[in-house]
Amino acid sequence: QQQVKQSPQSLIVQKGGISIINCAYENTAFDYFPWYQQFPGKGPALLIAIRPDVSEKKEGRFTISFNKSAKQFSLHIMDSQPGDSATYFCAAGAGSYQLTFGKGTKLSVIP
Amino acid sequence: DAGVIQSPRHEVTEMGQEVTLRCKPISGHDYLFWYRQTMMRGLELLIYFNNNVPIDDSGMPEDRFSAKMPNASFSTLKIQPSEPRDSAVYFCASRQIHASGGGGTYNEQFFGPGTRLTVL
Repeated sequence: QQQVKQSPQSLIVQKGGISIINCAYENTAFDYFPWYQQFPGKGPALLIAIRPDVSEKKEGRFTISFNKSAKQFSLHIMDSQPGDSATYFCAAGAGSYQLTFGKGTKLSVIP
Repeated sequence: DAGVIQSPRHEVTEMGQEVTLRCKPISGHDYLFWYRQTMMRGLELLIYFNNNVPIDDSGMPEDRFSAKMPNASFSTLKIQPSEPRDSAVYFCASRQIHASGGGGTYNEQFFGPGTRLTVL
């Protein structure tokens, strides 16, 4: 019940395209859903996060869409750029301060 | 602020040796987390501390792993004896709560650069 399932494992998108990464969870106690971005040789860094009282949150080119009834949430990267090439992790947290992470999606944006 | 500091950045050791990884969290953060990252298993939480006290160590794989936090600015993760299957990148993270625009609070974890451990 603690698992967070993330797909796809890898994604190749052309520059200017839309990148979409999906996550699903089972534990209905989760109330915090962040996305982390990790560049090679670096630690993950918080990109954007949402709580379940809203269905969408946008920050610049990055948008989280949240579907509480389906227990799914997704990250959309608009106008994808080569600099967005990184590994993206979704995560979920509840009450306590630990997060359960998805397995990650390696995004490659090609010129 | 320098962020979360980890040392060493790379460690190569032989099977059976003791390995100690070190972490300095961001000043003022009250939670500290140790994670292990591998291709097969992704990012796994090993243990976390609140105000220097271990809260949940259920992710520690076996008794060969131990972690301490003697004060608010320092934590260690020790593996003794090390085995090849312990090869991974180990991350330390510390936590800050900050207010969101919607009136709630967010629970952001700041990660260090990681220690890449290779056990031969």
